[in-house]
Amino acid sequence: EAGVAQSPRYKIIEKRQSVAFWCNPISGHATLYWYQQILGQGPKLLIQFQNNGVVDDSQLPKDRFSAERLKGVDSTLKIQPAKLEDSAVYLCASSLGTGKLSTGELFFGEGSRLTVL
Amino acid sequence: EDKVVQSPLSLVVHEGDTVTLNCSYEVTNFRSLLWYKQEKKAPTFLFMLTSSGIEKKSGRLSSILDKKELFSILNITATQTGDSAIYLCAVLTNYGQNFVFGPGTRLSVLP
Repeated sequence: EAGVAQSPRYKIIEKRQSVAFWCNPISGHATLYWYQQILGQGPKLLIQFQNNGVVDDSQLPKDRFSAERLKGVDSTLKIQPAKLEDSAVYLCASSLGTGKLSTGELFFGEGSRLTVL
Repeated sequence: EDKVVQSPLSLVVHEGDTVTLNCSYEVTNFRSLLWYKQEKKAPTFLFMLTSSGIEKKSGRLSSILDKKELFSILNITATQTGDSAIYLCAVLTNYGQNFVFGPGTRLSVLP
């Protein structure tokens, strides 16, 4: 079974530039998450999708971050313009969903490491 | 606000030692608690705990949940250098179906 795919793995940009990350979840997984993990900290939820609808984006800095999940499969996360403090690993994760049939387990991609200079 | 706290934040031991990692939580509508191991790449799943007092075991790793006192422990016996990693604790809540992560415990096992 293919895992969660993310790209690019690494990205270096200057502040005020823009960047986009892509995620393809495990086939059949209804729920998709984007997490930001700053060095030395645990993952922090940015946005959660259930199919193509947003469940929770309360911690997404909407003045600069945007995300979409068209057709309820792939997702993109964009940052524009980037700030120094956006340097982090952006983890995409998926799960079957959290209904009665779900194990509740999250499956992570390998992450996209962003460095903002 | 939902919160997950882990301790210690960092730990250095020698091979063969036994370690206990702690995770406490304050969340509304608790559903389950999960442990993940994170090396250089993505976190990988270790355990999911839903019921109090039932130990989950996998090789040298074991974990247990106490829903009354709102904590979980992860034990690793006879540690090896390959156990060096960040161990993340996460709680799944029913409200918003969200996973709330703790800061992680960075374990270093020296030869």
